This record gives sequence, C-alpha cells and structure tokens, in this order.
Amino acid sequence: DQQVKQNSPSLSVQEGRISILNCDYTNSMFDYFLWYKKYPAEGPTFLISISSIKDKNEDGRFTVFLNKSAKHLSLHIVPSQPGDSAVYFCAASGTSYGKLTFGQGTILTVHP
Amino acid sequence: DTAVSQTPKYLVTQMGNDKSIKCEQNLGHDTMYWYKQDSKKFLKIMFSYNNKELIINETVPNRFSPKSPDKAHLNLHINSLELGDSAVYFCASSQEDNGAAREQFFGPGTRLTVL
Repeated sequence: DQQVKQNSPSLSVQEGRISILNCDYTNSMFDYFLWYKKYPAEGPTFLISISSIKDKNEDGRFTVFLNKSAKHLSLHIVPSQPGDSAVYFCAASGTSYGKLTFGQGTILTVHP
Repeated sequence: DTAVSQTPKYLVTQMGNDKSIKCEQNLGHDTMYWYKQDSKKFLKIMFSYNNKELIINETVPNRFSPKSPDKAHLNLHINSLELGDSAVYFCASSQEDNGAAREQFFGPGTRLTVL
C-alpha cells in the first residue's frame, strides 16, 4: 500500500530550463509535505516543505505547489543547474508521531 | 562538523552473524529514526525514538533491536542476519513539533551486505 507515489522514475532537463517533479498521495490525513534531494552514497538532504494550510512555498530556485483536492504536489526548479542532478524524494507526514512516508524517488538529470 | 553521523559506512558480513550500526547526532534534536532503503530504493521507517523512548516500531522483525543510551545516540543491533537484510540503513533526527514529523536530517547511510 504505497501512500506516496512518484510516478516518473526519471526526468531529463536542459540547463537553464524548468524542472518539474511530481508527487501524488492517497492519505487525506497527511498535513505536511517535504522534498528531499539525494546524491549517490549520501543521505537525503532536506530541500523544502509545505504545510497543508498553504498551496505554495518558495525558497530561491525551488517552489513547491500543493493541490489538496487532487492530492498532488510538485517541485519546480528554475533555472535548473547541472548540480541539481540527483534523486528527489517526496515525503509526507500526518497524525502518526514522527513518521515520514516517502515516495520512491525521481532521478533528475540536468544536462549542460 | 557532521550533524548526523553513522558508523560503519559499509558492512559486509555472513548470514547468521550479529552486527551493530551506530548513529550520533549533534543537533540537539530529541527524536531519532532508523530507515531502511531496500533494493527498489524505497525509504521506509523502521523505528523512532523520542527522548530515549520508543515511539514507532514499524513491524520490523524482533531480530532488529534499537538502543538509545541517550537522546544523541540511536544504535541499531541486528541478530541472526539474513540475506534479505542487505540494504542501506539511514539514521535521521528531528526536533518534534507537537508530535508532528517536520524536517528530518539524515546521516550518510550504512550499506549492509549479507553474504
């Protein structure tokens, strides 16, 4: 029972263009959503988050959009840079104390 | 100045052995976690400790026993290792906000290979 899904295993983008990573969830009790970035042989690094009371949160080149009615969130990276090439994980939390549920990740490749 | 550290980074061992993975955080957080990333790359929570008390135990076999000597440390001991235990294990920590999981900070991972 996969409550958080990232349906695109990979995404390839040209440097300078926009990267859009998508995530869907099924549990309506989730109220907080996070994006993590992971390089090979390293642990995930927190990028940006959004509470369910908002529909957008922006931090520099990164913007997360939340559509609660569609149970969908997306991460926009503008402009994309080669250093953004990594695996991006979407995660969600709700009423279960301290528990994050992760999607399976999307590999982003940004070409120079 | 590492925030969440794990040792060892790589662990290769035989089936049936007992092994431990250590985790330490210097962020002053009160909650620590163990996650397992399997061959399909899913990151799944195993345990969560808040101030040395077990909060989450996600149907993990009882061969896995977490130990928290203090709130800065959460070690994972695994008895009678099996082939299926081969995975990357990540430790994480966070400062809880009224019981809600917010930003968790991850260690670099320990790649366990059981032969």
